[in-house]
Amino acid sequence: GQQLNQSPQSMFIQEGEDVSMNCTSSSIFNTWLWYKQDPGEGPVLLIALYKAGELTSNGRLTAQFGITRKDSFLNISASIPSDVGIYFCAGLSNTGNQFYFGTGTSLTVIP
Amino acid sequence: DTEVTQTPKHLVMGMTNKKSLKCEQHMGHRAMYWYKQKAKKPPELMFVYSYEKLSINESVPSRFSPECPNSSLLNLHLHALQPEDSALYLCASSLFQGISDGYTFGSGTRLTVV
Repeated sequence: GQQLNQSPQSMFIQEGEDVSMNCTSSSIFNTWLWYKQDPGEGPVLLIALYKAGELTSNGRLTAQFGITRKDSFLNISASIPSDVGIYFCAGLSNTGNQFYFGTGTSLTVIP
Repeated sequence: DTEVTQTPKHLVMGMTNKKSLKCEQHMGHRAMYWYKQKAKKPPELMFVYSYEKLSINESVPSRFSPECPNSSLLNLHLHALQPEDSALYLCASSLFQGISDGYTFGSGTRLTVV
C-alpha cells in the first residue's frame, strides 16, 4: 500500500499554543483528509481537501493541500485540552478505491 | 441517523471460540469497510463491500470472514483467532466506494484474544 508519513510523531504543548503537523507521501493524491481519533473511539473527519493549493478552515483548524499534491498540513490555533488525541491524514488512491492513512501524530495538551 | 453503530463494544474470546462483530448504518451508504487498528497505529484496511458485494480483500487470513447481508449491515465472523489478532476493529461506511468525502467510522470493537 501507499506510505504516508506524518510528523511530528508526537507533540506535547501548553494550552493556548498553536500546533502544526504535516503529512507527506511519495505519491500524488487527489484528495486529502484529516481525521482525529480520541482514545477508544473511531476516527472523526475534521477537514477534506480536494484541490492542490487549497486552504480550508474548520473553526480553529486550518488545513492545506500541498502544491505538489504529495503533502498536506494541519494547523490548530489556541489549543485546548479537548484537542488531545491522534491526528491522522488520509489520501485517496489514484484508483479511487480506498483511502490510505498516515502514521499519525499524537497530541497532548498540558493545561 | 448519521452514525455507524458497532456491537459489541468489547469482546474477549478464546482461540477456539467463534464470535461475530456487527456493524450497522442507516445513512443509505452503499460502501462499507472493516479496518483493524493496533494501539497508536493507523487503521489498516481489511475488507471493502460495495453494493453488498466484496470489492477488496487485503489478503486477510481466512479466520476472518466478512458478510454483508444487506445494504445496512456488515458482519465480521471470527474463528480460531490468535492473540496477535487482538486489536480495535473499526467499521466505516461511505455513500459509494471511492467517494472523496471520506468515511464515517463507528466507535469500534475492542477485541482481546486469550
